[in-house]
Amino acid sequence: AQSVTQPDIHITVSEGASLELRCNYSYGATPYLFWYVQSPGQGLQLLLKYFSGDTLVQGIKGFEAEFKRSQSSFNLRKPSVHWSDAAEYFCAVAPFGGTALIFGKGTTLSVSS
Amino acid sequence: GAVVSQHPSWVICKSGTSVKIECRSLDFQATTMFWYRQFPKQSLMLMATSNEGSKATYEQGVEKDKFLINHASLTLSTLTVTSAHPEDSSFYICSAPPPTALTEAFFGQGTRLTVV
Repeated sequence: AQSVTQPDIHITVSEGASLELRCNYSYGATPYLFWYVQSPGQGLQLLLKYFSGDTLVQGIKGFEAEFKRSQSSFNLRKPSVHWSDAAEYFCAVAPFGGTALIFGKGTTLSVSS
Repeated sequence: GAVVSQHPSWVICKSGTSVKIECRSLDFQATTMFWYRQFPKQSLMLMATSNEGSKATYEQGVEKDKFLINHASLTLSTLTVTSAHPEDSSFYICSAPPPTALTEAFFGQGTRLTVV
């Protein structure tokens, strides 16, 4: 069965420090990959997506993610975290376009001053 | 771009009553709509898939008689939580598949349901 693993439940990063959130997926082929952010009590905002092509994708708010087929990973990175980045981050996969997303359990990001 | 509008954004209801949540695709036709549920501090789990003109498909463990899903038209899908109980309190969010290839799905704003 397809699954998404986000190994880190909670991460605290100092403001201005770099960030990497991990995501591994289990699927026979390369699925469509996504990262979403959710602020408390809010809906989902798409940060970036990967369908094919260049394995390093750029997203909004200075985020980027790198797809590594050999590791079945799609880690999210940001070079310098801002306090406003504190939120819940979800990695998600879809086997192909038009199918429902499978979400990871999420990683809570806290930013310390 | 394509937009999915979900209403209400929050609702408080008494135990035993029913609540209807609407999800509309505003500028495209959605023959399919996905409904997810998110309990506090947890991830989003697919509850069911609604299909225009046919019965909804429910995920394992989701009560069909409690969560009534209707896809009345190509732009409207509704989720009715019947005889709601406090354990149904959750965040419900709908999503329409992308209208074209290589684009992302479109999510509604979500509905926070609190049953008291």
